[in-house]
Amino acid sequence: QVQLVQSGAEVKKPGASVKVSCKAAGYTFTSYYIHWVRQAPGQGLEWMGIINPSGGTTRYAQKFQGRVTMTRDTSTSTLYMELNSLRSEDTAVYYCARGLIVATKLVDYWGQGTLVTVSS
Amino acid sequence: QTVVTQEPSLTVSPRGTVTLTCASSTGAVSSGYYPIWFQQKPGQAPRALIYSTSNKHSWTPARFSGSLLGGKAALTLSGVQPEDEAEYYCLLYYGGAWVFGGGTKLTVL
Repeated sequence: QVQLVQSGAEVKKPGASVKVSCKAAGYTFTSYYIHWVRQAPGQGLEWMGIINPSGGTTRYAQKFQGRVTMTRDTSTSTLYMELNSLRSEDTAVYYCARGLIVATKLVDYWGQGTLVTVSS
Repeated sequence: QTVVTQEPSLTVSPRGTVTLTCASSTGAVSSGYYPIWFQQKPGQAPRALIYSTSNKHSWTPARFSGSLLGGKAALTLSGVQPEDEAEYYCLLYYGGAWVFGGGTKLTVL
């Protein structure tokens, strides 16, 4: 069955970086894009960007341009989202979600989420 | 800065019908925005319900349906069940980038 398993919770200091992983299983890794989405405590969902695991191409939300990097490792079917220059407002649960954007556009399976806490 | 707007909250009675909408600051929402709808319950990851305006996933209950209504994307719940109480989010496509709506808190009362 399709699974997206994310790395564990992180606590970081302001100014530091965090790298969240998302390991895919149960489907052909290169056939589906991966979205990254975050949710601050008590707030709504925020789209951060998308990566094509096949070629590694990415598209980031303007808000995160220059501060986020999404990568993949095809040998381990793992996606990564790195966010730099962390500030307290980056405290959130970060999700990966599988999607299609060619022919049809859908999002179906989600990871369990990774809580990132930014605190001095 | 594109803004996607949803009703902040709605209340519906059990077995009733309710429609949630999703509007774009850029104008009328069409099929080219590929509206997607999610349900999220407290402490859980979002669950996908509808994609490309009106298509259901295999796990989507039949009482959920998606459409375009009056220039907005819409999610209609017919025969609401107590377990449908949740936050609902829409997601719209803007030529490569995606934007979430602010969410609608649906109360079943």
